[in-house]
Amino acid sequence: EIVLTQSPGTLSLSPGERATLSCRASQSVSSNYLAWYQQKPGQAPRLLIYGASSRATGIPDRFSGSGSGTDFTLTISRLEPEDFAVYYCQQYGSSPKTFGQGTKVEIK
Amino acid sequence: EVQLVQSGAEVKKPGESLKISCKGSGYSFTTYWIGWVRQMPGKGLEWMGIIYPGDSDTRYNPSFQGQVTISADKSISTAYLQWSSLKASDTAMFYCARHLSPQSSWVPFDYWGQGTLVTVSS
Repeated sequence: EIVLTQSPGTLSLSPGERATLSCRASQSVSSNYLAWYQQKPGQAPRLLIYGASSRATGIPDRFSGSGSGTDFTLTISRLEPEDFAVYYCQQYGSSPKTFGQGTKVEIK
Repeated sequence: EVQLVQSGAEVKKPGESLKISCKGSGYSFTTYWIGWVRQMPGKGLEWMGIIYPGDSDTRYNPSFQGQVTISADKSISTAYLQWSSLKASDTAMFYCARHLSPQSSWVPFDYWGQGTLVTVSS
């Protein structure tokens, strides 16, 4: 099983700032099959990024993904008020398709 | 419009059985893998398993194998997650979710249900 470790656990930032979230895998993620989801309180997760760097339909271009192999990054270029949430990475290249433990982006 | 609508919240006692549902609409239900994800209170997401409604091919996370059963009834476009004997530790929110592309499970989830809260308490 691939273990995904996200860092930091919590990111305290102000609107307009840049957010950089990390996801590190315990072994190489097949075909860079790495996704990022956003979850707000009381809501289901929402797909942001898949294939490490492809934005899902309707996702603003301030969200970008990068990385390969075992190290992946989600960047939010300028935080909007609606971006404060918990973010999860998921690898779907090998079964079981594991999630990271999440990074909370909170208002500073 | 693609929608996954889950059954309502449940309150059960330890040892009881339960089956929760996830009804898909707005797309070809039989050609997209559906998955189930657990979220324990205040915790992260856990991938439980998936099913292909077209032929009921099912894959489980070893951590959940034998603890739950995933099934589907393609005639009514509904997937199910069931327990034969609930424990207090089964208390969680459970989400169903559709995979991004038809016929493949090697893609992420794109559409999610609203979640079903299961509470197990004596």
